[in-house]
Amino acid sequence: DGGITQSPKYLFRKEGQNVTLSCEQNLNHDAMYWYRQDPGQGLRLIYYSQIVNDFQKGDIAEGYSVSREKKESFPLTVTSAQKNPTAFYLCASSISRSQVNTEAFFGQGTRLTVV
Amino acid sequence: QQQVKQSPQSLIVQKGGISIINCAYENTAFDYFPWYQQFPGKGPALLIAIRPDVSEKKEGRFTISFNKSAKQFSLHIMDSQPGDSATYFCAASRDDKIIFGKGTRLHILP
Repeated sequence: DGGITQSPKYLFRKEGQNVTLSCEQNLNHDAMYWYRQDPGQGLRLIYYSQIVNDFQKGDIAEGYSVSREKKESFPLTVTSAQKNPTAFYLCASSISRSQVNTEAFFGQGTRLTVV
Repeated sequence: QQQVKQSPQSLIVQKGGISIINCAYENTAFDYFPWYQQFPGKGPALLIAIRPDVSEKKEGRFTISFNKSAKQFSLHIMDSQPGDSATYFCAASRDDKIIFGKGTRLHILP
């Protein structure tokens, strides 16, 4: 099955901890993205990557970090510097970010809760 | 200039009725307008999309109407069914930029 796999589905973090959300795709897509979804806020872009070993900040990158060591993988780390991390996190990919008018495929999301 | 304004925030429609969700954009450079459907606890999935060179696109019960001069586009769901209950996002994009609306939570009454 081709697609995007996010793990875990649910994640709990204590105050002051860093946590890493996994995103893997087997669609051979060049571009990958991380979005944060809050009720009534839509989808806000955290980071995106067009190619391996390169990534760019989105609109709300503060308190987050990413890496793109492999084409298939784009993990997101939520650091202790992110003051309000409780949210639903979505990973997406597309053939190429320069061609976003082709379909963006989304994973099933990770719900992060700070306890 | 980069905003996509979506309304209403929530919508309740009787089964068999027509659901209408509206979006407006500001940047005339956008050239691709997709709609995504999201069920609770799931990621969004592309539903239907349109380019500004056409005024309407229909796929089954789903229709996008596009008004380039008004910089508005809308999603119409004909014969709405309970299975259509979901959150719908409009978006606008060009090249390396895609902007999402804030979403509409649609509930179809059985």
